Amino acid sequence: EAGVTQFPSHSVIEKGQTVTLRCDPISGHDNLYWYRRVMGKEIKFLLHFVKESKQDESGMPNNRFLAERTGGTYSTLKVQPAELEDSGVYFCASGGIRTEAFFGQGTRLTVV
Amino acid sequence: AQSVTQLDSQVPVFEEAPVELRCNYSSSVSVYLFWYVQYPNQGLQLLLKYLSGSTLVESINGFEAEFNKSQTSFHLRKPSVHISDTAEYFCAVILAPSYNQGGKLIFGQGTELSVKP
Repeated sequence: EAGVTQFPSHSVIEKGQTVTLRCDPISGHDNLYWYRRVMGKEIKFLLHFVKESKQDESGMPNNRFLAERTGGTYSTLKVQPAELEDSGVYFCASGGIRTEAFFGQGTRLTVV
Repeated sequence: AQSVTQLDSQVPVFEEAPVELRCNYSSSVSVYLFWYVQYPNQGLQLLLKYLSGSTLVESINGFEAEFNKSQTSFHLRKPSVHISDTAEYFCAVILAPSYNQGGKLIFGQGTELSVKP
């Protein structure tokens, strides 16, 4: 069974540009999460989808971040325009009912 | 608000030595506790979890953690580490009432375990 996959694994963009991160969850998992780790700090929750609906987006830093989950399958996280402080590792995770979250390998975003 | 504190950012140890990675949490609501591990160039993997029952939980690779409610701790231990245990370890909690609805994880800052020969 395939795990959670994230694309790209690395991205280097200039300040002001747009970047879109993609996450493919484990098939059948209704719950999908985005987390972020800024260098040297803890992993922080960004948002939670249940199927295609946003269940909790309390961790989204500001309106430059837009997350979608089309048809309750894969999800995208767009940063527009990117700022230097957006650099970090973005993790996606998925889970079923009463199961732990399974994480992807993360996307390392560097804004220069 | 809930928080998780991992006091040690880096723990260097020699192979076959015992190790303890400390984790304390703060919450006014019951929580479930987790340890995740991230090996170099890999994603986060669940190492072990405490939901209920015995306060001592074990992983398949020899790690164990004990939930101590009075001290609000969930320290991770291994009696004899291997080179392959070199990784970053994350302690995390979920609010118990939200677990069945897929509640969010609240992570500590991570501890880098470095096992030297």
